[in-house]
Amino acid sequence: GAGVSQSPRYKVTKRGQDVALRCDPISGHVSLYWYRQALGQGPEFLTYFNYEAQQDKSGLPNDRFSAERPEGSISTLTIQRTEQRDSAMYRCASSYRMGGGENTEAFFGQGTRLTVV
Amino acid sequence: AQKVTQAQTEISVVEKEDVTLDCVYETRDTTYYLFWYKQPPSGELVFLIRRNSFDEQNEISGRYSWNFQKSTSSFNFTITASQVVDSAVYFCALLIGGAGNMLTFGGGTRLMVKP
Repeated sequence: GAGVSQSPRYKVTKRGQDVALRCDPISGHVSLYWYRQALGQGPEFLTYFNYEAQQDKSGLPNDRFSAERPEGSISTLTIQRTEQRDSAMYRCASSYRMGGGENTEAFFGQGTRLTVV
Repeated sequence: AQKVTQAQTEISVVEKEDVTLDCVYETRDTTYYLFWYKQPPSGELVFLIRRNSFDEQNEISGRYSWNFQKSTSSFNFTITASQVVDSAVYFCALLIGGAGNMLTFGGGTRLMVKP
């Protein structure tokens, strides 16, 4: 597609339920990232993939959070047994190449606003 | 550890005024990249610019300009002749070279441009 697509845009779930957030990166982009953004704050890194390999998951807050990208394209971020503190905007981004040089800018999707009630 | 500080949480200006958004970063690495992103009211994050640590040349793109100064660890963003459409939250971010692709964001500056 033309840009990074995330679904759903909004998700309201009851505490204790599992949720799966989907990210469809820009076609051909090697790297895919997940960030979490609390209200009034900047995004915080969760995890990232190069192709299908998860390279760094140091930002995942605990073992209720997991992510996968099995075919090196679409990714799913899963939160098990959701808690109210998980409420935030979850952002996905992709970049053509890894690293910081040319063509490595991360392009973000519109995010999924998760509310746990 | 890396850190990005945007000391101005909110700025309000009148249309056509110039405005500068400050960004100060901390890192021990000599290779790094700095970014600015715009988050308009619609919520998406829009990439504006990337600079690498070896290029201190200032950059101008239309009404936007960026001033990178390694001596003060700053990467400030100036909007000239601001417009109402510039109203947004602006984020500065830092990426360390060779350490994956983890962007460290500042807390953002909310810019309100009034007509």
